[in-house]
Parts: sequence; C-alpha cells; structure tokens
Amino acid sequence: GENVEQHPSTLSVQEGDSAVIKCTYSDSASNYFPWYKQELGKRPQLIIDIRSNVGEKKDQRIAVTLNKTAKHFSLHITETQPEDSAVYFCACTSGTYKYIFGTGTRLKVLA
Amino acid sequence: NAGVTQTPKFQVLKTGQSMTLQCAQDMNHEYMSWYRQDPGMGLRLIHYSVGAGITDQGEVPNGYNVSRSTTEDFPLRLLSAAPSQTSVYFCASSTTGTDTQYFGPGTRLTVL
Repeated sequence: GENVEQHPSTLSVQEGDSAVIKCTYSDSASNYFPWYKQELGKRPQLIIDIRSNVGEKKDQRIAVTLNKTAKHFSLHITETQPEDSAVYFCACTSGTYKYIFGTGTRLKVLA
Repeated sequence: NAGVTQTPKFQVLKTGQSMTLQCAQDMNHEYMSWYRQDPGMGLRLIHYSVGAGITDQGEVPNGYNVSRSTTEDFPLRLLSAAPSQTSVYFCASSTTGTDTQYFGPGTRLTVL
C-alpha cells in the first residue's frame, strides 16, 4: 500500500540556521503534498503545500520542493526562529483520497 | 464558523466498553477523516468519507466503525475498547481529498 518515509525524526539547529526535512513516497499516483506543523498539545495545521504540476513553492521563510521522478519532496525553513520549534509532518494523497502522513520530525531551534 | 469540533476532549474507558467519538464541521466540506496519533508513529488514517453516505477504510480500521449520514457529522465508534486503542484521536475535514485538511482539537482516550 501507500507509504511515506520521513527523515530525520529529530533535528536540532541553531537559531538563524536552515532546516531541511525530507519525505519519500511510494504511490506514483500521488499528486498533492502538504506539510503540517504541530505544536505541543495542539492540532496539526497546514504550513505549505505543493501539487504535482509544480516543482517548487515558497512562502516567506518556508519552501517545498518536489521531485516526482525520484518520488521525494522536502521542506526547507530558512532563518529559523524559536517559534519554529514543533513537530512537522509531511503527507501525500492521490486519487484514492487516502491521506497518508509521515511519522514526523521534531525540530528544535536553539537560541 | 466553529470549524471542526470534537467531543469529548478526554475519555477513560475500561476494556470491553464501547463509545462514540463525535466530530462535526460547519464548513460544508465533503471529505472527512479520522486519525489516531501515537508517539513516534505520526498520524494514521482510520476511516474516511468523501461525502454523505460514503465511507472507506484507512490504514488501521480494525476495531472502529464510522457512518456519514449528514455532510456535517462523522462519528467514530469503538465497538469493544482495548488498551491498544489508547491514543489521541483527531478528526479532520477538507473540501476534497486533495486539499488542506482542517483538524479538530483532538480527543485523548485511555483504555484501562
């Protein structure tokens, strides 16, 4: 079945540095790739997404890249700040409408 | 708009008891889904629905039932609770199955 692998599981960076989280998916029919941020005790919330007809998308300090040939996509956060500390989840979905999430990356931004 | 609401926020059950987790949304979304979140395992899809009267299984459906009689409501039923079902449960909704999902606040369930 569909599978999404996410790496790393934990990531510590110094404030101001960049952070990169990578996901690999198995279903070649996947066409929508969102990223969610979950703060401690809160619900997941969308931070950025990309569709299969686009290779890269940016929103201020956050960007997502997609390589459909290799079946992987990545989240890039530049100029990290303490409030970026959270758990980040990638996800993908296809025409089957099964939304499959990665196992999450705990990002710590050290002041 | 209230968005996605879930009740209860917390629940403790004994093994073998049954209960229903409630989920409602007021955004007229067609797609609704239930996830469980366990430490280190991310969000796993239990069941989902693409519209009223239509439901389908996700990754981990065993021990759970759902129904979708209206666009707004998508309850999750635990038939006979087991300790392995101790988890945080999130309901979510979106316009379609390939759009932003809006999550409810979650229900923390403990089965003793």
